[in-house]
Amino acid sequence: AQSVTQLDSHVSVSEGTPVLLRCNYSSSYSPSLFWYVQHPNKGLQLLLKYTSAATLVKGINGFEAEFKKSETSFHLTKPSAHMSDAAEYFCVVRMDTGRRALTFGSGTRLQVQP
Amino acid sequence: ETGVTQTPRHLVMGMTNKKSLKCEQHLGHNAMYWYKQSAKKPLELMFVYSLEERVENNSVPSRFSPECPNSSHLFLHLHTLQPEDSALYLCASSQADRSTDTQYFGPGTRLTVL
Repeated sequence: AQSVTQLDSHVSVSEGTPVLLRCNYSSSYSPSLFWYVQHPNKGLQLLLKYTSAATLVKGINGFEAEFKKSETSFHLTKPSAHMSDAAEYFCVVRMDTGRRALTFGSGTRLQVQP
Repeated sequence: ETGVTQTPRHLVMGMTNKKSLKCEQHLGHNAMYWYKQSAKKPLELMFVYSLEERVENNSVPSRFSPECPNSSHLFLHLHTLQPEDSALYLCASSQADRSTDTQYFGPGTRLTVL
């Protein structure tokens, strides 16, 4: 079985400060990992994905994530938060077993204070 | 953002109504998905279609009936729904024959069952 745990349901930062959204996964197989963002009343937008290539993955809008197998983590970071980053962020895992089903974390709501 | 479109964006229906949700993908993908996003719960996969054949059905009640007439279109037919079915219904598509296929999401249909 696979699962994803997003350690914080809410994160609040000030504009211009770093962002850290934490994600841990459990997996019996080699996983693919994704971060999606959902702005209010919008669908999910892919931020970045890890697919067993480089462990440090760069995404859109200045976000990046590092895959750490020893820690089973895939935390999302950004050096400097912008007001437009306020949204809900989902960590997602897919096992490379041929099944296409994704398992979603429960989400982290990011607030950016001026 | 226009790669996957969904109509209607909002739908209010009574428990005895019959309605359909429509999804269309313009990305040339061969797999399509329905997800349900309820408040306070992680996204739940409902159905997967690959090459127009249903390959997964995650124990969804029969009052939800999917239809995939071709690789670009996906429908979700609704009948005799319950108030607890109120949620955001998201459609996604991917190219399933790639080893690391990525799912791209539509904006969703916000369904309210009275």
